[in-house]
Amino acid sequence: EVQLLDSGGDLVQPGGSLRLSCAASGFTFTNYAMNWVRQAPGKGLEWVSVISGSGGSTDYADSVKGRFTISRDNSKNTLYLQMNNLRAEDTAVYFCAKDRGPYGDHPIFDYWGQGTLVPVSS
Amino acid sequence: DIQMTQSPSSLSASVGDRVTITCRASQSISNYLNWYQQKPGKAPKLLIYAAYTLQSGVPSRFSGSGSGTDFTLTISSLQPEDFATYYCQQSYSIRGLTFGGGTRVEI
Repeated sequence: EVQLLDSGGDLVQPGGSLRLSCAASGFTFTNYAMNWVRQAPGKGLEWVSVISGSGGSTDYADSVKGRFTISRDNSKNTLYLQMNNLRAEDTAVYFCAKDRGPYGDHPIFDYWGQGTLVPVSS
Repeated sequence: DIQMTQSPSSLSASVGDRVTITCRASQSISNYLNWYQQKPGKAPKLLIYAAYTLQSGVPSRFSGSGSGTDFTLTISSLQPEDFATYYCQQSYSIRGLTFGGGTRVEI
């Protein structure tokens, strides 16, 4: 059974940093691209970032480019999102999401973590 | 970025009703269109990918159609567990990947 367990969410001040984690199990982690998707309170879904199975390719939404870094440790089956210089508008529930296939141009998110809340406020 | 417009933003329906939700892309996306269901406080769940392919385990009352710019999600006979918010997502390109604004299906 595929399981994704998000963690690391916490209250952070504007300008602060936080690292989110997503522990994966039930599938061959290295074979699949992984993503972060966020949802501001009461709002819709926003794709944040993607990383290939090997970790060699990444991409970001313009809204987080230069501030967020996605990475993965395939020996630990864990995905990360390092978030720096956080802003109030980054307040959201962050979900990790598994791609249905390897890194490519047509992502399909077939499994999701339960989400972790990141409030950015002073 | 490709804009995805869903309609309606919300609808009221009863158990047994046939429900149709539409999603329009600002440019042609071929059949690179996926549908998700989200219940309050939960993660989204993949229902349909590539416009009309049912994800494993999803009931057959859900169906998808369309190509190019106009797409439809249909629930043939609404069940109590189907009351949720539904999102479309274009997967034409990872760059500027976008979701629709969502359609809330309520009683």
